[in-house]
Amino acid sequence: EVQLVESGGGLVQPGGSLRLSCAASGFTFSSYAMHWVRQAPGKGLEYVSAISSNGGSTYYANSVKGRFTISRDNSKNTLYLQMGSLRAEDMAVYYCARGASTTGTTRLDYWGQGTLVTVSS
Amino acid sequence: QSVLTQPPSASGTPGQRVTISCSGSSSNIGSNTVNWYQQLPGTAPKLLIYSNNQRPSGVPDRFSGSKSGTSASLAISGLQSEDEADYYCAAWDDSLNVGVFGGGTKLTVL
Repeated sequence: EVQLVESGGGLVQPGGSLRLSCAASGFTFSSYAMHWVRQAPGKGLEYVSAISSNGGSTYYANSVKGRFTISRDNSKNTLYLQMGSLRAEDMAVYYCARGASTTGTTRLDYWGQGTLVTVSS
Repeated sequence: QSVLTQPPSASGTPGQRVTISCSGSSSNIGSNTVNWYQQLPGTAPKLLIYSNNQRPSGVPDRFSGSKSGTSASLAISGLQSEDEADYYCAAWDDSLNVGVFGGGTKLTVL
């Protein structure tokens, strides 16, 4: 059974940093691109970032470019999102999701339960 | 302002057929496939339609998708109360080099 479990969310002050993790199981992690999608309270889905199966290619929404870094450790079956210079508008539930064998598609067939990031002083 | 444009709301009565539109541009829907997601209240999104018109295993055939040019549509026939949810379209954008979502459509079953 495919499982994606996010962790690392919590309360952080504006300007602070946080690292999210997504532990994957039930599939060959190294064969799939992975994605982060967020949802602010009461708002719609927003694409955040994607990474290719081998980690060689990364993609970012303009809203997070230069502040967030996506990475993965295929030996640990874990996806990461390092978030810096956090702003109030970054407050959201962050979901990790499994993509296809390649990037360049928004076909996300499995999603985690999400982890809440709260940015507040 | 979302890159893909969806109506904020839609509604129908049980048994009816409803459609939800998704409008984009040549850099996203016009050159890449469209995927649709269903999000029930308080839950993570679920892939509903992929590659414009394909249903993942377990998705009822009441749900169908189509694409023409820079627009796409999701149709739900035989509407049921459990279909009440938020629906999102998504596509890769070649200009932004990232995925983009529509703003979401809240479907109400009257």
